[in-house]
Amino acid sequence: QSALTQPASVSGSPGQSITVSCTGTSSDVGAYNYVSWYQQHPGKAPKVMIYEVSNRPSGVPDRFSGSKSGDTASLTISGLQAEDEADYYCSSYTTSSTHVFGTGTKVTVL
Amino acid sequence: QVQLVESGGGLVKPGGSLRLSCAASGFTFSDYYMTWIRQAPGKGLEWVSYISNSGGTTKLADSLKGRFAISRDNAKNSLYLQMNSLRAEDTAVYYCTRTLNGGNYDSWGQGTLVTVSS
Repeated sequence: QSALTQPASVSGSPGQSITVSCTGTSSDVGAYNYVSWYQQHPGKAPKVMIYEVSNRPSGVPDRFSGSKSGDTASLTISGLQAEDEADYYCSSYTTSSTHVFGTGTKVTVL
Repeated sequence: QVQLVESGGGLVKPGGSLRLSCAASGFTFSDYYMTWIRQAPGKGLEWVSYISNSGGTTKLADSLKGRFAISRDNAKNSLYLQMNSLRAEDTAVYYCTRTLNGGNYDSWGQGTLVTVSS
């Protein structure tokens, strides 16, 4: 199972909106609405920010949103803040009943 | 509150074995699927294996078949990962996660570092 494709880096100024893409195939992202997004700060364990494409866990700011179109899922951060600077990973369930992560995206707040 | 504490990592020679453990507390362990995820130094996340709440269903990444095995003991609120024939490329931090429907890893341990080196 190949990793999902994410851009290596995305940047934006405070207050701006950015979008991180996650491209898979019809065997993973395109097959189910089981895409999650994780934020990881250096030296820390990842934290779920979005699950099932567009659902936000309790406590996650509503400036984080998710969507999907075909084989590509997206994470949008609106009103970018300094504390949003981190690595972001998408994850998807697959038709083989396994899971696969994206390659990861470093989000930089300028 | 949910707490997951991994242990068992360390330095091991190529070809050696290790058994990782994850002690769970703060929730009804037997109600949840559990998953191991790893992260090589400076690299991305890699899904390793999951196990159903009863232990009756397991899945392992294709690249690890024949070497790794996941198990659990619901009476001890514990998750395990048996790793055999270890290779340098298995060097990583291994995370234990509680797993909700569809692969939502809602709780993570702090991770345990496995280093495979001679």
